[in-house]
Amino acid sequence: AQSVAQPEDQVNVAEGNPLTVKCTYSVSGNPYLFWYVQYPNRGLQFLLKYITGDNLVKGSYGFEAEFNKSQTSFHLKKPSALVSDSALYFCAVRDPNTGFQKLVFGTGTRLLVSP
Amino acid sequence: GAVVSQHPSRVICKSGTSVKIECRSLDFQATTMFWYRQFPKKSLMLMATSNEGSKATYEQGVEKDKFLINHASLTLSTLTVTSAHPEDSSFYICSAPARRAGGPPEQYFGPGTRLTVT
Repeated sequence: AQSVAQPEDQVNVAEGNPLTVKCTYSVSGNPYLFWYVQYPNRGLQFLLKYITGDNLVKGSYGFEAEFNKSQTSFHLKKPSALVSDSALYFCAVRDPNTGFQKLVFGTGTRLLVSP
Repeated sequence: GAVVSQHPSRVICKSGTSVKIECRSLDFQATTMFWYRQFPKKSLMLMATSNEGSKATYEQGVEKDKFLINHASLTLSTLTVTSAHPEDSSFYICSAPARRAGGPPEQYFGPGTRLTVT
């Protein structure tokens, strides 16, 4: 079964500092990995995805993620955090057994960026 | 980009009543839509897959008779919570897949509906 794990419930970082939100995956076959962000009482917004190609994927709002096959990780990163980045972040993997439509989500990591 | 809307954004209902939540794809057609439930501080739990023109496919542990799904057209799916109880209070989110530029389908999420059952 496809799954992703987000080991941190919460990540705290000061504005201007680099941030990392961790995600590890367990999939059979090639992983299709995603990061989404959720602001309070809102739906999910797509940040970036990895399907194939370069291991470093660049996404929206200055975020990027590094696919590491040997460590089965897909950590989300940003060189300089903004207070407005404070939100709930979800890592997800696409389930190929459902025609690549179903997403399996991690438990989410709350990012708090302090001024 | 593809836009998915949900209505209402918030609803409060009394225990024992039913409430309907709509999910619409505004600028694309979706033969499939997904309904998720999000508990406080928890991840999204996929409840069911809504299929236009046929029955919904429910995930294990989700009561079909309690969470009625109807995919009435290629742009509308509805989730009806029947005989609602306070434990049904949650944030419900729908999504629909859409293709862009011939690539694989991507999920587009609605803004969510906050249901509170009193």
